[in-house]
This record gives sequence, structure tokens and C-alpha cells, in this order.
Amino acid sequence: EIVLTQSPGTLSLSPGERATLSCRASQSLSSSYLAWYQQKRGQSPRLLIYGVSTRATGIPDRFSGSGSGTDFTLTISGLDPEDFAVYYCQFYGSSPRTFGQGTKVEI
Amino acid sequence: EVQLVESGGGLVQPGGSLRLSCSVSGFTFNNYDMHWVRQAPGKGLQYVSAITNMGRSTYYIDSVKGRFTISRDNSKNTLYLQMSSLRAEDTAVYYCVRYDILSGYVYWGQGTLVTVSS
Repeated sequence: EIVLTQSPGTLSLSPGERATLSCRASQSLSSSYLAWYQQKRGQSPRLLIYGVSTRATGIPDRFSGSGSGTDFTLTISGLDPEDFAVYYCQFYGSSPRTFGQGTKVEI
Repeated sequence: EVQLVESGGGLVQPGGSLRLSCSVSGFTFNNYDMHWVRQAPGKGLQYVSAITNMGRSTYYIDSVKGRFTISRDNSKNTLYLQMSSLRAEDTAVYYCVRYDILSGYVYWGQGTLVTVSS
């Protein structure tokens, strides 16, 4: 079973700043089935990035994903006030399709 | 428009049972594997169970194996999660999600809250 560890647990930033979120896998992801989700309070999660670096439909280009092997990154270049939320990475290639524990991006 | 609508959540005593339903529309249901994901209050997301498009294969995480049963009725465009021997640690919002092989979880339901408490 692949374990995903996200860091930091909380990121305190201001609007306009750059956010860098990390997701580390317990073993190399030989396939590119790594996704990132955003969840705002009281809402269902929303897919941001899939296949490590492909933005989902309607996602602004300030969101970008990168990485390979065991280390993956979600970058938000220039935080918008609506971006303050919790972000989860997920390996979705095979069961169990585990999630990381989440990173909260707060003002 | 793709829609996933969960129902069936509520308050149940420890040891009790509950059946969740997820009614879908806007896509060809029997073309997609479907999953359940849950989120305990104030906690992160947890993958719970999966079923292939025709229902031939299922998967459960260890903590629910033997207590939960995932199923689907493709004629009714509905996904189910039968939960029994419920425990306090099963308390969570349960989300129905459509699994896309290339892109993961594009579509989520709004979630249904299950509370296990005496």
C-alpha cells in the first residue's frame, strides 16, 4: 500500500504570495496517477490536477503540478483569496487509492 | 450535467446498520467504476470501497472489510453501500465518486453524514 505524506500541515501566507505544497510517496509511483484536490469548508472536494501535472477543466493556470518518482509538488503562483482551503494529494492508479493527510493553506 | 446524489445517512447506534444510496445522472453509469470516500469530522479524506462498472469486482479497506458491502444497480443508475456492525469510528460524511481511469475523481456527490452514537 502506498502511503502519501503531505507537508507542511499548515501553510500561512498572504494573498498574492506563492504556495508550494509537497506530497511524498512511500514508494515510487511508476505511473502518473497522482492527483490534487481542493476542499473548502462545507464543500465536496474538487479535482485540480491529475496525471501529476494536467489541470482539470476550468482550473486556473496559477495552479500547477510537478514531480516524479516519490516527490510531487502543487504550486499556486499568486494566491487568490478563494484559494485558502485544504489540499489533498491522491494516488489513484490502483486500490487502495490513498489520500495524503492534507495541507491547509490559511491567511 | 453529471450529478451524484447521496442519501440514507443519519444517526445510528453502535452495532447498527445503514444503507447509503447514490443516484447518478448525466452519464452512462455502467461505463464507470464507482467508489465511496469518507471524511470523519475535522479529518482528511479516506478511500473506503470500490466496485467495477459491471459489479464483478469490489474492494474494501481493511477497517470495513466484512462489515460494509458495496453494490450497484445499473438499471437504476444507483450505487449502494450497506453498512453493518457500525462503530463510532465510522462516523463521517460519505461521498459517492465516479472513478475516471485517467483523471481520478472528477465528479463527487454532496456527501451524506453518518453518525454512529448511542
